[in-house]
Amino acid sequence: DAKTTQPPSMDCAEGRAANLPCNHSTISGNEYVYWYRQIHSQGPQYIIHGLKNNETNEMASLIITEDRKSSTLILPHATLRDTAVYYCIVRPNFGNEKLTFGTGTRLTIIP
Amino acid sequence: DAGVIQSPRHEVTEMGQEVTLRCKPISGHDYLFWYRQTMMRGLELLIYFNNNVPIDDSGMPEDRFSAKMPNASFSTLKIQPSEPRDSAVYFCASRTDRSVSYNEQFFGPGTRLTVL
Repeated sequence: DAKTTQPPSMDCAEGRAANLPCNHSTISGNEYVYWYRQIHSQGPQYIIHGLKNNETNEMASLIITEDRKSSTLILPHATLRDTAVYYCIVRPNFGNEKLTFGTGTRLTIIP
Repeated sequence: DAGVIQSPRHEVTEMGQEVTLRCKPISGHDYLFWYRQTMMRGLELLIYFNNNVPIDDSGMPEDRFSAKMPNASFSTLKIQPSEPRDSAVYFCASRTDRSVSYNEQFFGPGTRLTVL
């Protein structure tokens, strides 16, 4: 699976949009970008995934660059409950069940 | 839906003892995963099952670890004998092929294991 690079930590003011970047320059054509988050003392939680088109759900938006070498997870109106470690994972959607969690980005929402 | 259920939530044991962690996946899910999380190694996949059959156990650290899934609603991860380096949070996750968000894994709350 392609390797991902994320900043180790970020702060965001409550109510503002949180933009979390991820670099995945070695991504291959059949690999999707997945985002999970882990709130302190809880199990990871799925957020969103995409292949090449931008995606949006009730939790977040995912913006993938045209060359697919990087992406941004956007939490449109961050709340204190969004404080967590956010993991960007790249993997094929078929034939490989393994989620390889890196070190992620520790996002802190500031009141 | 109760989500993925794990027990116990906390386990403290002494080196050399047998430890059994338990997991009940979400009803109807076809896949079950066991992960381990430590500060040093992060979150790593140990083994996963599909329809109760172990598919990939390449992440199991050594022979002291074993996992079983006797039926679709129950799985165990056993460590025998336990060692202090096994101290970690162990997560169970499950998923189905029939979800809208294909490949979304649902994680349990974890079992925090401390081996003294």
